[in-house]
Amino acid sequence: AQSVSQHNHHVILSEAASLELGCNYSYGGTVNLFWYVQYPGQHLQLLLKYFSGDPLVKGIKGFEAEFIKSKFSFNLRKPSVQWSDTAEYFCAVNGAGNTPLVFGKGTRLSVIA
Amino acid sequence: GAVVSQHPSWVICKSGTSVKIECRSLDFQATTMFWYRQFPKQSLMLMATSNEGSKATYEQGVEKDKFLINHASLTLSTLTVTSAHPEDSSFYICSARDGGTGIIQPQHFGDGTRLSIL
Repeated sequence: AQSVSQHNHHVILSEAASLELGCNYSYGGTVNLFWYVQYPGQHLQLLLKYFSGDPLVKGIKGFEAEFIKSKFSFNLRKPSVQWSDTAEYFCAVNGAGNTPLVFGKGTRLSVIA
Repeated sequence: GAVVSQHPSWVICKSGTSVKIECRSLDFQATTMFWYRQFPKQSLMLMATSNEGSKATYEQGVEKDKFLINHASLTLSTLTVTSAHPEDSSFYICSARDGGTGIIQPQHFGDGTRLSIL
């Protein structure tokens, strides 16, 4: 069965600090990988996705993620965070055939001025 | 972008009541819709997958007679929590996927419904 592990429950950063959120998955076949963001009081929004090709994926708002197949990882990065990046971040995976997404527990990011 | 509308956003009702939650895809046709449940500080747990015009597929441990799912059109799916009890209190989130082009499509999410059973 698929599973997704996000290592950090809550991350607190100062503005302009660099961000890396860890995500590891467990799945025995071809996977599609996603990062979603949920701002306070809003619905989940897609940040970026990886299906195939270049393992370094660029998303919206300056976020990027790197798929490292050998490590079963898909970490999210941003070189310089802003206060407006305060949100909950979810890593998700699905398999070939466009199966339903399986989510990690989420990481809460708090950016302080 | 693709918009999923979920209604109501919050409902409080007495134990034993049945509650219906609607999920609509506003600007695309959703051949597949998903219902998730989220407990505080936990991940979204998939409850069921529904394809338009067919019976929903429920995940292990989810009671299909308790959580009735109907996906009668390409833009509407409903989740009815029958005879709700306090343990059914949770945050329910619907998701829809555009099945139009054949390429891999991401899931789009509604705002969620907070259900509180007294």
